[in-house]
Amino acid sequence: KQEVTQIPAALSVPEGENLVLNCSFTDSAIYNLQWFRQDPGKGLTSLLLIQSSQREQTSGRLNASLDKSSGRSTLYIAASQPGDSATYLCAVRNAGKSTFGDGTTLTVKP
Amino acid sequence: GAVVSQHPSRVICKSGTSVKIECRSLDFQATTMFWYRQFPKQSLMLMATSNEGSKATYEQGVEKDKFLINHASLTLSTLTVTSAHPEDSSFYICSVMTSNEQFFGPGTRLTVL
Repeated sequence: KQEVTQIPAALSVPEGENLVLNCSFTDSAIYNLQWFRQDPGKGLTSLLLIQSSQREQTSGRLNASLDKSSGRSTLYIAASQPGDSATYLCAVRNAGKSTFGDGTTLTVKP
Repeated sequence: GAVVSQHPSRVICKSGTSVKIECRSLDFQATTMFWYRQFPKQSLMLMATSNEGSKATYEQGVEKDKFLINHASLTLSTLTVTSAHPEDSSFYICSVMTSNEQFFGPGTRLTVL
């Protein structure tokens, strides 16, 4: 059974800082890994998708890496802004099923 | 990316009644949709995979007769919570999977009194 863990559960940083969110998973036989953000009262937004054959994906100030063999992924956010405040979820896909972590709640203070 | 809508966005019902939630893929023909529920301050839990034209595949522990899923067309899946009870109160989210990416609906907040 796939288990996904996200550390830390919560993170508060001042605006402008670079930060890293972590995601680990127990079953490395994944098809892909996806990072999302969830804003209070709103739906989920897909941020980055990394296929199992890829090592990283970048979008703007976001960079996600994947180390399948060690069961880890990181989401790097550069020059954080208050608008980045949200809960960040990672999800891994195995054989048609997605397993989500509990998320990291990020607060970026102005 | 795919646009996914849900209706209603919020529903309050009495215990014992049934509630239907619609999920529509507005610009993508989805042979597969997913239904999740999310409790406050908890992560998403996959309930079932909705397959167009066939029976849904339920996750272990999810009652098939309580959570009825119908995927009658490539753009519409419905989740019916039958004989709802207060413990069914939750945030229900549907999702569409394209060839390699997942898109989510805005969710439906169900409150059972």
